[in-house]
Amino acid sequence: DQQVKQNSPSLSVQEGRISILNCDYTNSMFDYFLWYKKYPAEGPTFLISISSIKDKNEDGRFTVFLNKSAKHLSLHIVPSQPGDSAVYFCAASAVNDMRFGAGTRLTVKP
Amino acid sequence: ETGVTQSPTHLIKTRGQQVTLRCSSQSGHNTVSWYQQALGQGPQFIFQYYREEENGRGNFPPRFSGLQFPNYSSELNVNALELDDSALYLCASSLSWGRANTGELFFGEGSRLTVL
Repeated sequence: DQQVKQNSPSLSVQEGRISILNCDYTNSMFDYFLWYKKYPAEGPTFLISISSIKDKNEDGRFTVFLNKSAKHLSLHIVPSQPGDSAVYFCAASAVNDMRFGAGTRLTVKP
Repeated sequence: ETGVTQSPTHLIKTRGQQVTLRCSSQSGHNTVSWYQQALGQGPQFIFQYYREEENGRGNFPPRFSGLQFPNYSSELNVNALELDDSALYLCASSLSWGRANTGELFFGEGSRLTVL
């Protein structure tokens, strides 16, 4: 059961432009949402999160937006840099459970 | 502060065999969870241990079992291996789960299991 979906397997953007990664979820019990970044041969690393009581959280170049009514969240990276090239996983958590999307591979071209 | 370490990094088994994967939690973390990541997919939650007790489980059969030790390190055991068990197995540690937890997990690099 895919409770968290990332429908775009890949995204390519030019350096300096905005990257927008999208994520949809189905379970209304999720109350915390996270983005993880994964480089090859490494485990995922935490990037940014948002509680369900908020609709926006910003950390430097990274902003996560949450639309609870649409069960949709997005990660904005601006400006994008070549070092941002990685696989990005969206995750949603409830008590003692965390579900991940399949990931979106972001490529930032110089 | 040491991060999450997993062993072995790679291993090959045959169908029907049993495997044990090991994980050392990040210093100060008392919760460990295990994930299976098949090729092209996101990590799938197997189970979670908090203070040596399993307190959450995903949709995996009983032949997937685990242990957490008093030092919070952990093992994942898989019996009667099947071809579809071939995947990257990720261990993640965190502070105690629950409403106070932000859900941030610290992952190891994973153990890549190939079942022939």
